[in-house]
Amino acid sequence: DTEVTQTPKHLVMGMTNKKSLKCEQHMGHRAMYWYKQKAKKPPELMFVYSYEKLSINESVPSRFSPECPNSSLLNLHLHALQPEDSALYLCASSRGEEDEAFFGQGTRLTVV
Amino acid sequence: QQQVKQSPQSLIVQKGGISIINCAYENTAFDYFPWYQQFPGKGPALLIAIRPDVSEKKEGRFTISFNKSAKQFSLHIMDSQPGDSATYFCAASKTGANNLFFGTGTRLTVIP
Repeated sequence: DTEVTQTPKHLVMGMTNKKSLKCEQHMGHRAMYWYKQKAKKPPELMFVYSYEKLSINESVPSRFSPECPNSSLLNLHLHALQPEDSALYLCASSRGEEDEAFFGQGTRLTVV
Repeated sequence: QQQVKQSPQSLIVQKGGISIINCAYENTAFDYFPWYQQFPGKGPALLIAIRPDVSEKKEGRFTISFNKSAKQFSLHIMDSQPGDSATYFCAASKTGANNLFFGTGTRLTVIP
């Protein structure tokens, strides 16, 4: 299994909703990442988990809350988002922080 | 401040031609330089990566050229095919997957 799987593929949510994005990998990778990508822009790093501990938080607003329940799973909890948070949310993983990153297909989030 | 500068923004190449995308960086601490290919609505896929101990790396039709003194690296796609039409991102980091800085992307179109 060489994939990073993200669910759901698409999500539409209201500004008062609470939702979660899920990311899963079974490659034994110990580092996992959340990126945000706006249309026609490069991915921007949000969070880094290394050995299930949060190691980098790139000054992301608290309405985004990451969680790493175990080494294979990474969640991103969303609450009270704004329309400008609409974007493609990408999960990635790597064997270690010094290794190559592999991305999932992303969740296309629309906030209405 | 853009850590990695990428050009051109868009590129049109005839089938069978060579596509060349260039990137430049300032931070001499960077020592990992990957290229990603992204199709619309999909996550970035790692194409090829290089570290500064070599000046060139080739994988199939894809070649990275690296010039440490000029702080530049480029992607060459030989015998470009319509299926190569995608957005290409260069990136750089101090280690590996952790804290990648992406270029702004190049939208490549290969016309038959």
